[in-house]
Amino acid sequence: DAGVTQSPTHLIKTRGQQVTLRCSPKSGHDTVSWYQQALGQGPQFIFQYYEEEERQRGNFPDRFSGHQFPNYSSELNVNALLLGDSALYLCASSLIGGKTDTQYFGPGTRLTVL
Amino acid sequence: GNSVTQMEGPVTLSEEAFLTINCTYTATGYPSLFWYVQYPGEGLQLLLKATKADDKGSNKGFEATYRKETTSFHLEKGSVQVSDSAVYFCALRGGGGTSYGKLTFGQGTILTVHP
Repeated sequence: DAGVTQSPTHLIKTRGQQVTLRCSPKSGHDTVSWYQQALGQGPQFIFQYYEEEERQRGNFPDRFSGHQFPNYSSELNVNALLLGDSALYLCASSLIGGKTDTQYFGPGTRLTVL
Repeated sequence: GNSVTQMEGPVTLSEEAFLTINCTYTATGYPSLFWYVQYPGEGLQLLLKATKADDKGSNKGFEATYRKETTSFHLEKGSVQVSDSAVYFCALRGGGGTSYGKLTFGQGTILTVHP
């Protein structure tokens, strides 16, 4: 049973560029959440997707956008990158309405903005 | 809004010592509470959870009890091992109709266990 997978593992971009991160949820899960984890900090919620729609959003600017596909996989897009966007980006999947809606995390994508 | 506060770290222990990592929370409604662990260079792994008051979550020798009266969810282990060295995060998922929503995390506690 495959867990949550994310790609790429590492990414280096320069300020002003755009980046797309990808996530495949755990088998049987239908909901994907994205988190940003700055170095030495706890993860911060960016947004959550269910049924291909953004259901909840954290305190992040519109430069952060996402998408969920019919197969439940998801993308996180960040435009006009800033140095402060350097972080580990974590994807978590869960199943709404299941016996447990615990979120399971992927290994993350390390984004470095130069 | 919801918030989670963890004890200041880092925590350094000798193997077989007793571990306590304190976690308190502020939330409306009836949140679910979680402990996640992060090993170096990896994502977060769920360690244990509790969904209602007085529930005890347990896994791999770790335990935590959901105390609504003290709004706490302290993590304990009776005898730590070197392999327990990691960063531990306390988190909550809000109640009050947001059960499927975001997790709010504490700042994390670094645990180092020496042989």
